[in-house]
Amino acid sequence: EAEVAQSPRYKITEKSQAVAFWCDPISGHATLYWYRQILGQGPELLVQFQDESVVDDSQLPKDRFSAERLKGVDSTLKIQPAELGDSAMYLCASSGRTGPEQFFGPGTRLTVL
Amino acid sequence: GQQVMQIPQYQHVQEGEDFTTYCNSSTTLSNIQWYKQRPGGHPVFLIQLVKSGEVKKQKRLTFQFGEAKKNSSLHITATQTTDVGTYFCAGRGGSNYKLTFGKGTLLTVNP
Repeated sequence: EAEVAQSPRYKITEKSQAVAFWCDPISGHATLYWYRQILGQGPELLVQFQDESVVDDSQLPKDRFSAERLKGVDSTLKIQPAELGDSAMYLCASSGRTGPEQFFGPGTRLTVL
Repeated sequence: GQQVMQIPQYQHVQEGEDFTTYCNSSTTLSNIQWYKQRPGGHPVFLIQLVKSGEVKKQKRLTFQFGEAKKNSSLHITATQTTDVGTYFCAGRGGSNYKLTFGKGTLLTVNP
């Protein structure tokens, strides 16, 4: 069964450093989402792509976060510089045209020291 | 902005007991989805409700969408240890395609 791939699975960094996360959605899925999930909370949408275009990035802290999906397939989320409050699980999800569900990847757990 | 609230935050039950989690939105929803996240795992889609008053069943799980399309519930009959996890509702507003997740209800089941 096709899955959303993410890497790395875990990342420990010091504050003020730059970090990057990668996501490869299910083949053929045009919509890609990046979520942040703080422990004990629900996922919060950071950015949504339709193909290579950003559809919603209203909750993305644009002074330090950036996201791209250059060829409309895989995507990268970057944080520079990382802050202590960025420690969280970063989840990538994708959805296709055949159904409403979002398929989530395993996530990248970020710890900022 | 749109807010989705879920109660209770935690629920501990004995195996075989029933469980219900409730979801309320500050605005009318076009649809609502439910996801389950096992401990250490990622959210997995369960179902989507679209119509006012809609009721859907999946084996022991019953999902309802309120008449006003502002609330929803998930009921599990005769819980099993495999039901352990956090259940999230996620609502989509009328003119907003974005899913807003609730904080979830963590269900633990004592065998």
